[in-house]
Amino acid sequence: GENVEQHPSTLSVQEGDSAVIKCTYSDSASNYFPWYKQELGKGPQLIIDIRSNVGEKKDQRIAVTLNKTAKHFSLHITETQPEDSAVYFCAATPYGNNRLAFGKGNQVVVIP
Amino acid sequence: NAGVTQTPKFQVLKTGQSMTLQCAQDMNHNSMYWYRQDPGMGLRLIYYSASEGTTDKGEVPNGYNVSRLNKREFSLRLESAAPSQTSVYFCASSERRGDQPQHFGDGTRLSIL
Repeated sequence: GENVEQHPSTLSVQEGDSAVIKCTYSDSASNYFPWYKQELGKGPQLIIDIRSNVGEKKDQRIAVTLNKTAKHFSLHITETQPEDSAVYFCAATPYGNNRLAFGKGNQVVVIP
Repeated sequence: NAGVTQTPKFQVLKTGQSMTLQCAQDMNHNSMYWYRQDPGMGLRLIYYSASEGTTDKGEVPNGYNVSRLNKREFSLRLESAAPSQTSVYFCASSERRGDQPQHFGDGTRLSIL
């Protein structure tokens, strides 16, 4: 099955700087790549997703890029704010598959 | 519009006790999922239900059973709880398939002594 790895495990950034989290996946058939944000005591919340027919997607300060050849995708957060502090999970799955494989998560800390 | 609702939010059990975790969604979604989250392990799929009347095993199904009671409700049962099942359990739903946005509840924090 799909195996997803996230790096780095913890990322500290100064407020206003950019944060980048990278994930690698193993199954070349995967074509759906969501990113979830989890705040303390809450469930994960989808913040952005991308499919393999698209190389990049943006939503305000958040963007995701996909490199299918290298089998990695990245989350970019620009102009970070304290409310961006959370755990971020990437995931991947092939088309039509019901088993979404999650990475182990990245703790992002935005320092005011 | 509540989304995905899980009950209870917290529970402490003794080894060997049984318990059912409840989940309900009000988004008319076809697919529902149960995950467990352990420190440093991310989210691991226990069971899922692609549609009303069907259930399938995920990555870590041992020690659990599920019931898709109707389109709205999907329950997870621990028949004989073990300390290794201490975890945070999340229910999620999606419109049709796993490769679509999944909406999560806020979890049930379960401790087994």
